[in-house]
Amino acid sequence: GAVVSQHPSWVICKSGTSVKIECRSLDFQATTMFWYRQFPKQSLMLMATSNEGSKATYEQGVEKDKFLINHASLTLSTLTVTSAHPEDSSFYICSASPSGTGDSPLHFGNGTRLTVT
Amino acid sequence: DAKTTQPTSMDCAEGRAANLPCNHSTISGNEYVYWYRQIHSQGPQYIIHGLKNNETNEMASLIITEDRKSSTLILPHATLRDTAVYYCIVRVAQAGTALIFGKGTTLSVSS
Repeated sequence: GAVVSQHPSWVICKSGTSVKIECRSLDFQATTMFWYRQFPKQSLMLMATSNEGSKATYEQGVEKDKFLINHASLTLSTLTVTSAHPEDSSFYICSASPSGTGDSPLHFGNGTRLTVT
Repeated sequence: DAKTTQPTSMDCAEGRAANLPCNHSTISGNEYVYWYRQIHSQGPQYIIHGLKNNETNEMASLIITEDRKSSTLILPHATLRDTAVYYCIVRVAQAGTALIFGKGTTLSVSS
């Protein structure tokens, strides 16, 4: 159980275009989902916390107008990278845990490799 | 900043036990210790977590010292597929709380 699915697994886009990444909890509901970014040979960095039915909370230094997050249902959060540039090329990963649980572990999607040309 | 300290890298022979240490000397009473691993180009995989008692599951064992300032993840019989970056993370057991990753330990299992 507790499967998180991300789509697409990889995407190549041209500079200036926008890309949407989906994160779904397949067998549980998630009030909160988290978005991370990982550059080569580095650790995961938390970008934002996505809350169902309300605005996302962004970490310091993450531009909310560039990384649009929508969490319209208890099983789906989306991250849209707007006006992508080559420096946005990275590995984007989402995570979630079942709603209402305290110490239950977060489960992660398999990530989306974004390459901006 | 991450609240844990782990060795940068470790080596282990296939079939032997891999013991990965983690220091979390500033852990709070309501924080759990979580272990995840990340195989190249995949999302992190949950391994195990605990508060103060030792824990065991089908993947590993977690030994937490009595003062809770350090812990050890034990993979009893390492295989080549256990080669990964292992992250030790402390986290408040509260819904809506994220995991904050440090640099982890790169475990290399060789035959």
